[in-house]
Amino acid sequence: GAVVSQHPSRVICKSGTSVKIECRSLDFQATTMFWYRQFPKQSLMLMATSNEGSKATYEQGVEKDKFLINHASLTLSTLTVTSAHPEDSSFYICSARDRGTYNEQFFGPGTRLTVL
Amino acid sequence: EDQVTQSPEALRLQEGESSSLNCSYTVSGLRGLFWYRQDPGKGPEFLFTLYSAGEEKEKERLKATLTKKESFLHITAPKPEDSATYLCAVRADSGSARQLTFGSGTQLTVLP
Repeated sequence: GAVVSQHPSRVICKSGTSVKIECRSLDFQATTMFWYRQFPKQSLMLMATSNEGSKATYEQGVEKDKFLINHASLTLSTLTVTSAHPEDSSFYICSARDRGTYNEQFFGPGTRLTVL
Repeated sequence: EDQVTQSPEALRLQEGESSSLNCSYTVSGLRGLFWYRQDPGKGPEFLFTLYSAGEEKEKERLKATLTKKESFLHITAPKPEDSATYLCAVRADSGSARQLTFGSGTQLTVLP
């Protein structure tokens, strides 16, 4: 099946620093990638949608200057949390839509961010 | 507005005790209904996509079915390793056709 990887799986940083999370589709091309945030015992909350080579579309309430998304190629998207604060601590999950099958969407393993 | 409701919120089964999880949806033009399994601290794992009423798909002990209003995930003779949160999501014509709308999930615990 299609595989999506994320790196790092876990990161701890100090307040005020920036953190970059990478998301890669390993065996398929993804024209569209998604970034989600998940709080404990809650479902996934969509943060933004990105298409390769164009600007990301952010959901209402998500600060585009704080959560920078770059989708530079058909297999790589990055999320940078700028000037992170403790309230940004969460589980971040990326997802990629298979260009070939159009409809199926696969998720990465997630990144646990803890801001001290 | 697209809505997805999953029930029950939590389900405890004895090993071998078959049961079903429900996903009710209200959308304008269904483009696909998706089932995922999520283990604690991990991303969702894709299970099935269903596209039209009457469609069924199976994988090991899991079987997903779809009607015009709801989907069921049937678990036959579950094992402890089936314990996880099961998420249902829909993609519809309304809003952005690229996005999935998720239900809140059913947390399944299978006791040995």
